[in-house]
Amino acid sequence: DIQMTQSPSSLSASVGDRVTITCRASQSISSNLNWFQQKTGKAPKLLIYSASSLQSGVPSRFSGSGFGTDFTLTISSLQPEDFACYYCQQSYSTPTFGGGTKVEI
Amino acid sequence: QVQLVQSGAEVKKPGASVKVSCKASGYSFTNYGISWVRQAPGQGPEWMGWISAYNGNTDYAQKVQGRVTVTSDTSTSTAYMELRSLRFDDTAVYYCARDSGGAMVKVDMWGQGTMVTVSS
Repeated sequence: DIQMTQSPSSLSASVGDRVTITCRASQSISSNLNWFQQKTGKAPKLLIYSASSLQSGVPSRFSGSGFGTDFTLTISSLQPEDFACYYCQQSYSTPTFGGGTKVEI
Repeated sequence: QVQLVQSGAEVKKPGASVKVSCKASGYSFTNYGISWVRQAPGQGPEWMGWISAYNGNTDYAQKVQGRVTVTSDTSTSTAYMELRSLRFDDTAVYYCARDSGGAMVKVDMWGQGTMVTVSS
């Protein structure tokens, strides 16, 4: 299976900060990469699909980039409701998730 | 509105089986697939399997293959996930999710989750 490595595993930030999370695949996955946000006790929520496409209804402060093995999720100006855990997930082959990044105050 | 509603929490003994249902509404069931994803306490999500509601094709994670079966009933727009020979480490929240294309290509709607506890 393709391994997905996220960094950092956690970060502390303030409202208004620019936040970047990275995800590295163990082999090339083209642009078959999704990003999810998950809050405690809730199902994951799709933010970005196909590496850079913003899911309908998701605020434009979220953006994704990358191709091949290296990907990033950027939150341009962190809002109070963005404190959550973020996961990358590849769909190039048998789906696998990254280990998650917890965004805390 | 588009929603997936799952069956309620289950408590099972080791070696038993569990079957979780996922009823879809608000969209054309056969235009999408359904993926099943589980999340153990304090852990990240883990994909388990997928079914095309259009033709019944399935795909499973190697880790659970042989113990899991995913089915769907187009007459009731309901998908099912059965996991057999339960072990303690199968304790998790199990989610169904609406899937465009193949497994986890674009999952844009999730069920509320079903807690399955394996305990003696």
